[in-house]
Amino acid sequence: LAKTTQPISMDSYEGQEVNITCSHNNIATNDYITWYQQFPSQGPRFIIQGYKTKVTNEVASLFIPADRKSSTLSLPRVSLSDTAVYYCLVGDPSSGSARQLTFGSGTQLTVLP
Amino acid sequence: EPEVTQTPSHQVTQMGQEVILRCVPISNHLYFYWYRQILGQKVEFLVSFYNNEISEKSEIFDDQFSVERPDGSNFTLKIRSTKLEDSAMYFCASVLRGTLIEQYFGPGTRLTVT
Repeated sequence: LAKTTQPISMDSYEGQEVNITCSHNNIATNDYITWYQQFPSQGPRFIIQGYKTKVTNEVASLFIPADRKSSTLSLPRVSLSDTAVYYCLVGDPSSGSARQLTFGSGTQLTVLP
Repeated sequence: EPEVTQTPSHQVTQMGQEVILRCVPISNHLYFYWYRQILGQKVEFLVSFYNNEISEKSEIFDDQFSVERPDGSNFTLKIRSTKLEDSAMYFCASVLRGTLIEQYFGPGTRLTVT
């Protein structure tokens, strides 16, 4: 199982771009990187998933370097409502195994006015 | 947008009692999951369920726990003889297919065992 390491917390101000980096040195060939967001007392919410290079959707971008040992979630122009815990998960989605997609401690992002 | 729903939102029970947590997954989804999150801790996988049977489970999911899909819409988690350490948020999730591209999580049930 690929272990992930993220910063415990980050602070940002409204309107800024936020980059949260996740380290996954032992990522396997078939593993993808998936990010979830969780607000207090709510279930996690899928943000984005990628395998390599760059993936962008309406919410965020995901940058993955060639060696895939790390990834960066980029949130453009954050607002107060983006204050949440962000989780990086690494695993093979085609395996169908939820057990190997472990949630780590996540990064608590606090957006300040 | 379709969503996973869970009831109740908060359940208080006494130690030793049985509880049933209910989930209604997204209607055309085929794979269902239960997770738990003890306050301030990580989201932990409990069990996967497909085609009316458990497909995988974690070490946490022992004989105290069981899951069932009693009809075409509900997916339940039963916890027998609850213990204080079972107090946690329990999340249900579902996906359309077995590839875990995107899991849809419910809002959770807060279980408090006293």
